[in-house]
Amino acid sequence: EAGVAQSPRYKIIEKRQSVAFWCNPISGHATLYWYQQILGQGPKLLIQFQNNGVVDDSQLPKDRFSAERLKGVDSTLKIQPAKLEDSAVYLCASSLERQYEQYFGPGTRLTVT
Amino acid sequence: GEDVEQSLFLSVREGDSSVINCTYTDSSSTYLYWYKQEPGAGLQLLTYIFSNMDMKQDQRLTVLLNKKDKHLSLRIADTQTGDSAIYFCAETRDNYGQNFVFGPGTRLSVLP
Repeated sequence: EAGVAQSPRYKIIEKRQSVAFWCNPISGHATLYWYQQILGQGPKLLIQFQNNGVVDDSQLPKDRFSAERLKGVDSTLKIQPAKLEDSAVYLCASSLERQYEQYFGPGTRLTVT
Repeated sequence: GEDVEQSLFLSVREGDSSVINCTYTDSSSTYLYWYKQEPGAGLQLLTYIFSNMDMKQDQRLTVLLNKKDKHLSLRIADTQTGDSAIYFCAETRDNYGQNFVFGPGTRLSVLP
């Protein structure tokens, strides 16, 4: 079974620029998560989708971050405009149906200069 | 401060047992988890324990939960160099797999 795919793996941008990350979850997984992992810290949940609906986005900085999940499958996370403190690894995870086992992708490492 | 706390570093000799500790603050936690993260990779679920259990064993891994002290530990028997990674403790506070909270991670170094 193919795992969670993410692209790009690395991205370097200047502050105030925009960036988008893409995630393709495991086929059949209804729940999709985006996490932000700052160096030296554990992942912090940004947003959780159930199919194409948002279940929890309480920790998403909505003034600059947005996310969507197209047709309940792929998802994109966008930052516009980026700040220095957004430098982190952005992890996507999926699970079968709000189940407890989340499968993580390899992450996208974002550096904002 | 962190809702879930862990010591940041642990070094052990190959063949010894490793014990990674975690404390959490929310008594309403339903499931508690241990994840492993190798360099450049995403997180991999190792094991989990339901809050009404006090121990779970899975091959070389033993999870102990002390609800009174809100303390969770992961013991790795016969630690190998391949066990070198960052280990995250995590909790969820509802029955729908939401409100996942991760600790800062413990970096385990296994010395030959």
